[in-house]
Formats: sequence, structure tokens, C-alpha cells
Amino acid sequence: AQSVSQHNHHVILSEAASLELGCNYSYGGTVNLFWYVQYPGQHLQLLLKYFSGDPLVKGIKGFEAEFIKSKFSFNLRKPSVQWSDTAEYFCAVNARGGGSYIPTFGRGTSLIVHP
Amino acid sequence: DTGVSQDPRHKITKRGQNVTFRCDPISEHNRLYWYRQTLGQGPEFLTYFQNEAQLEKSRLLSDRFSAERPKGSFSTLEIQRTEQGDSAMYLCASSARGDEQFFGPGTRLTVL
Repeated sequence: AQSVSQHNHHVILSEAASLELGCNYSYGGTVNLFWYVQYPGQHLQLLLKYFSGDPLVKGIKGFEAEFIKSKFSFNLRKPSVQWSDTAEYFCAVNARGGGSYIPTFGRGTSLIVHP
Repeated sequence: DTGVSQDPRHKITKRGQNVTFRCDPISEHNRLYWYRQTLGQGPEFLTYFQNEAQLEKSRLLSDRFSAERPKGSFSTLEIQRTEQGDSAMYLCASSARGDEQFFGPGTRLTVL
């Protein structure tokens, strides 16, 4: 069974600080990887995704993530955070190919950015 | 609004009652997912449909939980004989052929 681990449950930063949120998954096969974000009072929405190709993917609002297959990691980064980045961030994995198809989410990281 | 909608947004019920939630996906999406989310946790997958076929239901939490999508459009999630432990946010999401999921606002269930 696949699982997703997000190492940082709560992160507090000042504006303009750099951000890196860790995500590791366990699954032996091919995966699709996602970061979702939930701003206060809003629905979960996609931040970025990786299916194949260039392991460095860019998403909305200046976020990027790097897939490192050997480390089973898909860390989220942003060079300079803004107050509006305050939100809950979820890493998710879908197993690709035959057999069962069960999207798995991490428990989330709560990010607070102080102005 | 052409996003995913869920009804009701909030439901308060007494233990032992049955509840049913509805999800209307984005119209051209053939996949529909149900999740449960509790405080401090990520969404926990329950089941999903491709069109009207329920392709994965092994993660439904117990036999008190069931879901339908009779015409491949909207879906319902029913919980029979609710328990206090069922209190949670129930999320619905839909997707097209790709894996990107679009989430609804959720139904918050409180079981007294």
C-alpha cells in the first residue's frame, strides 16, 4: 500500500523567507505526484503536478517542486513567500497503471506567513 | 459556478440516524471521488467512480458506508446508523481523463 509522509506539520515564516516543504512517499511502482493547497475558507485546489518528464515542475504563484525518484521525494519550494501563501499544503500520490487506484494524501502542512 | 458542488454544507444528526450527502461533479468529468477528512489530517480516500461504475470501494470505512452514482453524473454517499466517530468533513472531487482532481467545498457532519 502506498503512503505519503509530510515532515513539517506547522511552519511559520516571515514574508520574503524561502520555503521548502518535505514530502516522501512509499510505493514501488510508477506514480503521479501532486501538491494541493487549501487557503483559509476555500476548497482544496491544485498547486502543481508531476506525471513524467522534467523532474522540476513549476506551479501557480511561483511554487515549484522537484521529483527525486531515488529518494521517493517530491518537495515543494518557493524562493520568497508572501502573506497570501498562508494556507494548508497537501502532498498527494496516485499509483499509475493497473490494479487499484487509490489517491493518497499526506496529513498536510500548515503554513503561516507573517507580514 | 461550474465547479464541484456538495449538499448539504453542514449536517447535524443524532447517533443512529442515517445521513445522505450529494455531490455534483463538473459536468464533463467522468471520475468522481469521495474522501473523509478529520482535523489535522489530509483527505482519506473512501471510494471512486468512473462514470457509473464504482471501481474501488475497499476503503469505505465500514459496511455502514455506501455510495452510488446511478447515471454517471451526481453521486450520493450514505452513512447508516451514524456514530460519533463519523463526525468529519466529507469531500467530493471530480476529474477528467487526467489525474488532477477538483474538489468541492465539503459537507461537515456532526454526530451528537
